[in-house]
Amino acid sequence: DIQMTQSPSSVSASVGDRVTITCRASQDINIWLAWYQQKPGKVPEPLIYAASTLQSGVSSRFSGSGSGTDFTLTIRGLQPEDFATYYCQQGNSYPLTFGGGTKVEMK
Amino acid sequence: QVQLVESGGGMVQVGKSLTLSCAASGFRFTRYGIHWVRQAPGKGLEWVAMIWYDGSNKYYSDSVKGRFTMSRDNSKNMAHLQMNSLRAEDTAVYFCARGVDTNYGMDVWGQGTTVTVSS
Repeated sequence: DIQMTQSPSSVSASVGDRVTITCRASQDINIWLAWYQQKPGKVPEPLIYAASTLQSGVSSRFSGSGSGTDFTLTIRGLQPEDFATYYCQQGNSYPLTFGGGTKVEMK
Repeated sequence: QVQLVESGGGMVQVGKSLTLSCAASGFRFTRYGIHWVRQAPGKGLEWVAMIWYDGSNKYYSDSVKGRFTMSRDNSKNMAHLQMNSLRAEDTAVYFCARGVDTNYGMDVWGQGTTVTVSS
């Protein structure tokens, strides 16, 4: 199975900051990586698929990059509604796997 | 509007069975695979199972393989997750989600249904 490792597990940031989250796969997954945002008690919201393609309606503050084993999610100009937990997920092979999550907290 | 609605959750004893359902509306159901993803209390997301758009292929996580079975009824725009031999560690919120292709992730999620397995 492909293991997905996110870092950091949490990050403290302020409104307007740039935040970068890293996701590493235990083997090559090409570009088949998705990112999701989840707020407490809410449903996960899809952000990005195929490593860098924004889902419809997602703010351009969010961007994704990477291929192979190393990926990043960047949030530019952090907004109050961006404080949440972010998960990566590999779509290269079954069983699909999620990273452990990165909580973006208010500093 | 595009929507997935889960049902069937509840409290059940260890070793018993439960069936979850996922009702789809607002889109062409036969074009999409359906996934189940769960989230234990205070934990992260865990992918559970997936069924292809036509039901011809199914995949399961190692933690549920042999105990859980996915099915779908395209005539009713429904997908199901039959859960047998339930364990305490199966306690979670279960989400169904659609995916047009395995590579592209899950782009629509239901609100989730809670399963509690007690001893």
